Amino acid sequence: DGGITQSPKYLFRKEGQNVTLSCEQNLNHDAMYWYRQDPGQGLRLIYYSQIVNDFQKGDIAEGYSVSREKKESFPLTVTSAQKNPTAFYLCASNIGAGGSGELFFGEGSRLTVL
Amino acid sequence: GENVEQHPSTLSVQEGDSAVIKCTYSDSASNYFPWYKQELGKRPQLIIDIRSNVGEKKDQRIAVTLNKTAKHFSLHITETQPEDSAVYFCAAGTGGFKTIFGAGTRLFVKA
Repeated sequence: DGGITQSPKYLFRKEGQNVTLSCEQNLNHDAMYWYRQDPGQGLRLIYYSQIVNDFQKGDIAEGYSVSREKKESFPLTVTSAQKNPTAFYLCASNIGAGGSGELFFGEGSRLTVL
Repeated sequence: GENVEQHPSTLSVQEGDSAVIKCTYSDSASNYFPWYKQELGKRPQLIIDIRSNVGEKKDQRIAVTLNKTAKHFSLHITETQPEDSAVYFCAAGTGGFKTIFGAGTRLFVKA
């Protein structure tokens, strides 16, 4: 069953802690993305990767970091430098350049900072 | 920077009525306009998309229209059903990381 899997679904963090959100896809997609979703603000791009071992900052990258060591995996670390980390995080993938443009999303991870 | 404005933020309709959601965009280079539906607690999923070489596209009860001159596009849902209740996002761009999302419209369909 192909798709994108995010984990954990819910995560609580104390202030000052780093946390890592997992994103795995078995769609053989080249491109992967991380979005942040806040009420009334739509989806904002944090980081994206168009190919293994390469990634670029999106519109709101401050306080976040990523890696792309494998085609299937694109983990996101929310660092203690992120001033307002409580949010819903969505991972997505698509074929990449030359593809249809459709984004395939995971089910999301809800992070709450206590 | 580039942005996409979406209206209304909330829309309530009676079952069987039509619903219209409108978006405007600022980047004249945009050529891809997808619409995503996100049901409560679920992932966003593409429901329809349109490219700039056409002005209208229809798929059963949903249709999208595009006016490139005015830089706006709209989603039309006819004969609404309770299962249409969800948050709808428009987006504009050239695909992939060059896609800007609107803030979303929460649609309620009352039975």
